[in-house]
Amino acid sequence: GAGVSQSPSNKVTEKGKDVELRCDPISGHTALYWYRQSLGQGLEFLIYFQGNSAPDKSGLPSDRFSAERTGGSVSTLTIQRTQQEDSAVYLCASSLERNTEAFFGQGTRLTVV
Amino acid sequence: AQSVTQLDSQVPVFEEAPVELRCNYSSSVSVYLFWYVQYPNQGLQLLLKYLSGSTLVESINGFEAEFNKSQTSFHLRKPSVHISDTAEYFCAVSEWGQGAQKLVFGQGTRLTINP
Repeated sequence: GAGVSQSPSNKVTEKGKDVELRCDPISGHTALYWYRQSLGQGLEFLIYFQGNSAPDKSGLPSDRFSAERTGGSVSTLTIQRTQQEDSAVYLCASSLERNTEAFFGQGTRLTVV
Repeated sequence: AQSVTQLDSQVPVFEEAPVELRCNYSSSVSVYLFWYVQYPNQGLQLLLKYLSGSTLVESINGFEAEFNKSQTSFHLRKPSVHISDTAEYFCAVSEWGQGAQKLVFGQGTRLTINP
């Protein structure tokens, strides 16, 4: 596609439920990032995929959070047993290997009630 | 590991006044540097970037930033701001290395332009 696509754009879920957020990066981009942006906060790094290398998971806030990237393209961020503090906008970005300019999707606004 | 510090969380200025948004980074190797902008209710978009070459880089809407290696800074400036510049601005750094490296962002500076 022309840009990074994220779905759903909005998600309301009950506390304790699991959610899956999807990211379709720009075709050919080998790097993919997930960030979290809470109200009034900056961008919190979550996880980074680069080609076939092991992902950098150093930003995942707890073991309830996990992500995978299938076939070097689409990525899914999964949050298990959601908590109210998980409410935020989850942003996905992708970039080319040798040009680290990142292109962002519009984000998924997650609300845990 | 690299880190980014944006010293001002909020910067209010009057229209047509100059502005400087400060950004300092920490890294043990050479870096790429970026400024991203997030307009109200919109996604992040790249404003300008420094990859190599001239240390002064410019955007199409009048912003500029200068890479200062000795001070590890990449401050963003505009000589005369407009109401439409109201947004949140994020500085980001990526370390050189084999392939792409993790992109780390600062906490952001909210620029508010008053008439």
